[in-house]
Amino acid sequence: AQSVTQLGSHVSVSEGALVLLRCNYSSSVPPYLFWYVQYPNQGLQLLLKYTSAATLVKGINGFEAEFKKSETSFHLTKPSAHMSDAAEYFCAARSPGGYNKLIFGAGTRLAVHP
Amino acid sequence: ETGVTQTPRHLVMGMTNKKSLKCEQHLGHNAMYWYKQSAKKPLELMFVYSLEERVENNSVPSRFSPECPNSSHLFLHLHTLQPEDSALYLCASSGTSGSETGELFFGEGSRLTVL
Repeated sequence: AQSVTQLGSHVSVSEGALVLLRCNYSSSVPPYLFWYVQYPNQGLQLLLKYTSAATLVKGINGFEAEFKKSETSFHLTKPSAHMSDAAEYFCAARSPGGYNKLIFGAGTRLAVHP
Repeated sequence: ETGVTQTPRHLVMGMTNKKSLKCEQHLGHNAMYWYKQSAKKPLELMFVYSLEERVENNSVPSRFSPECPNSSHLFLHLHTLQPEDSALYLCASSGTSGSETGELFFGEGSRLTVL
């Protein structure tokens, strides 16, 4: 069965520092991969997605992620954190074919301090 | 109206009440989903409707009853809930498979508290 693992339930960075949120997937077939962000008391908003085109994917708010098949990873990065990036981030995977059933990781809460 | 709209945003109910959550999407999608988000637990997929047919029911207790009268509307009927059912219930929509890349579009959620 497909699964998604996010290493680190909490990550704390200084404003202006690099953000790195880790995601690994378990699948014999490279899936479609997604990063979502959730601000307090809101739903999930798509940050970016990988759909087997370019392995380096750029998303909104300056985030990007790189698909590495050999490492079964899809880590999310941002060169310089902003206070407004504080939120919870979810990695998700979907197997090609079938309806759009997404399997989510447990989430990583990002704190940004001055 | 745009995107996915959920009402009510907040709901408090007793264990013997009957209430419903409503979801409406204005994106022309034909698949809709209910997810449960509890504190310190991963998002749990509850139900999936594709072309108004239920295609997935992830062992959800019968006190949760979904209804999809058309491709734009999805309901979650609630009755005799337990305190552990308190959570954020998220509705999402998407296109169906084929040319779709699979992302879900989420509403802002309905925060349910069961007393």
